[in-house]
Amino acid sequence: DGGITQSPKYLFRKEGQNVTLSCEQNLNHDAMYWYRQDPGQGLRLIYYSQIVNDFQKGDIAEGYSVSREKKESFPLTVTSAQKNPTAFYLCASSISVYTGELFFGEGSRLTVL
Amino acid sequence: AQTVTQSQPEMSVQEAETVTLSCTYDTSESDYYLFWYKQPPSRQMILVIRQEAYKQQNATENRFSVNFQKAAKSFSLKISDSQLGDAAMYFCAYRSAQQLTFGSGTQLTVLP
Repeated sequence: DGGITQSPKYLFRKEGQNVTLSCEQNLNHDAMYWYRQDPGQGLRLIYYSQIVNDFQKGDIAEGYSVSREKKESFPLTVTSAQKNPTAFYLCASSISVYTGELFFGEGSRLTVL
Repeated sequence: AQTVTQSQPEMSVQEAETVTLSCTYDTSESDYYLFWYKQPPSRQMILVIRQEAYKQQNATENRFSVNFQKAAKSFSLKISDSQLGDAAMYFCAYRSAQQLTFGSGTQLTVLP
């Protein structure tokens, strides 16, 4: 089945540690996205990528980093510079960055202890 | 920048009844898409319905339909014969070649 796989589903981190969230898609989509969702709130864009080896900052990129070395993969690193990293993170993909609906993964819940 | 407004943070509906969720947007573009996404307690975002702006006919998917008023920049979602499984957060989204914006969401409760 085609879709988006995020891992891990739950992650705990101590303050000062970097963590990486995985996102893999087998939909052959060019565009991929990372969103952050806080309790009871909407989605805020962290980073997006139009194509391999290219990515752009979204609205809240500070304290995060990404890479896009393969079309299928778009990992997100939450660095120690992110002041309030506890949140729910959603990865998505679309045919292109200009059109098409977004398909979402199941999300990753990060908790900083 | 385009904005998407969902003015109803919470709504409730009796099982088997009909409910309408509101969404308005602001844009100067003529070519765009509109979507409704559902986020159940599992928190995965699921596409409910999509509407292309160039189509005058309102989109329908089983019990879900939209009322798309392009001139008024309104895109409401109607859920007919509401079921307990429809309980979720619903997000309206606007998409153009330049922008992808989500509304703040409406939490729908279905009462048995």
